[in-house]
Amino acid sequence: EAQLVETGGGLIQPGGSLRLSCAASGFTVSINYMSWVRQAPGKGLEWVSVLYSDGTTHYADSVKGRFTISRDNSKNTLFLQMSSLRAEDTAVYYCARGAVASAGQFHYWGQGTLVTVSS
Amino acid sequence: DIQMTQSPSTLSASVGDRVTITCRASQSISSWLAWYQQKPGKAPKLLIYKASSLEDGVPSRFSGSGSGTEFTLTISSLQPDDFATYYCQQYNSYPWTFGQGTKVEIK
Repeated sequence: EAQLVETGGGLIQPGGSLRLSCAASGFTVSINYMSWVRQAPGKGLEWVSVLYSDGTTHYADSVKGRFTISRDNSKNTLFLQMSSLRAEDTAVYYCARGAVASAGQFHYWGQGTLVTVSS
Repeated sequence: DIQMTQSPSTLSASVGDRVTITCRASQSISSWLAWYQQKPGKAPKLLIYKASSLEDGVPSRFSGSGSGTEFTLTISSLQPDDFATYYCQQYNSYPWTFGQGTKVEIK
């Protein structure tokens, strides 16, 4: 069965950088459509970024130019490199796997990792 | 960006009640809509995709309908495990966007 485990969250100062990881098992990251979705404390869900199997990426306007999604095929792991972090980036970050037929249908989710941006 | 508006924001209901949640899109999204259930401290769980397709393993008391700009999630007979927050999500165009959520509470 597909499993996703996020790591890398923590407390970071404004303007800092952090890299989140999402280790996958039970399926191959490189041939699937993988996304990051975040949720600020007590708030709703916000899609952040998607990485297609062909390498195409898309980002929410709120993170464009600051966040980069990537993968390591040898480690079967998805990443989110976050830089120029702001207080409003504070959230639980989930990785999610999209469907083969439609990348935006999130059938599998990780448990999430908390990123807190604060001085 | 496509705005997704859910109503109501909070819903109080009893076990056995029929519950309906509405999601409206600011422009047509065809049937590219999903519904998720989220419990406190947990990741969201996919219930419905392509507006009306039931995810594997999800009880048949959950159903979805609609197309274009108006969608509904119906729980035919509310069970104790169903008290949670529900989100709709459009994936017709970028950025993919979620509704603000509907919290289903015990009456």
